[in-house]
Amino acid sequence: DQQVKQNSPSLSVQEGRISILNCDYTNSMFDYFLWYKKYPAEGPTFLISISSIKDKNEDGRFTVFLNKSAKHLSLHIVPSQPGDSAVYFCAASALRGGSEKLVFGKGMKLTVNP
Amino acid sequence: EPEVTQTPSHQVTQMGQEVILRCVPISNHLYFYWYRQILGQKVEFLVSFYNNEISEKSEIFDDQFSVERPDGSNFTLKIRSTKLEDSAMYFCASNLRATYNEKLFFGSGTQLSVL
Repeated sequence: DQQVKQNSPSLSVQEGRISILNCDYTNSMFDYFLWYKKYPAEGPTFLISISSIKDKNEDGRFTVFLNKSAKHLSLHIVPSQPGDSAVYFCAASALRGGSEKLVFGKGMKLTVNP
Repeated sequence: EPEVTQTPSHQVTQMGQEVILRCVPISNHLYFYWYRQILGQKVEFLVSFYNNEISEKSEIFDDQFSVERPDGSNFTLKIRSTKLEDSAMYFCASNLRATYNEKLFFGSGTQLSVL
């Protein structure tokens, strides 16, 4: 039951370049999408989110794009920095359906090389 | 910055034993959660808890699992009779309102190893 899919397990980019992390979902009830970042030995921390009524949300170096017709979202990090090296989780929730839970993808390990 | 704290960071137990994982959510938060991540797999929702009762639970959260808020600060997850497949990293989380998903704060996790 993979309602949220992150098909690439890892990505390696050079410092200063753009990192693009992709996520697909299957459940059309999802109406809120989030990206979490996780460092080793720590819990996930919130990075950025987007509501289904929008197609883009930007916060500094981080931008999330949502394509509802394709059930696809992506996280762009530009410019990438070595400190961005972490595991990134895409997550979704069905708030209008009254569910509190987050459904996570498997995560993608981003490595930013100096 | 306030944080969710979890103890212990590592727990090793024998199959069939009971374990209690402990969490101290952020003090003014009202909604509490347990998630888990089996090695190499996705983070999975287990249960949410509000106003001293379970508000939502997943199919994973069967009769072997229970949660409790025994006092004003602690939030515990009990596994009555552990199985090998319960081995995972267990994350506690809390937030002020259930719909504030971006304000969901996670603890650093308890790595449970069932032998």
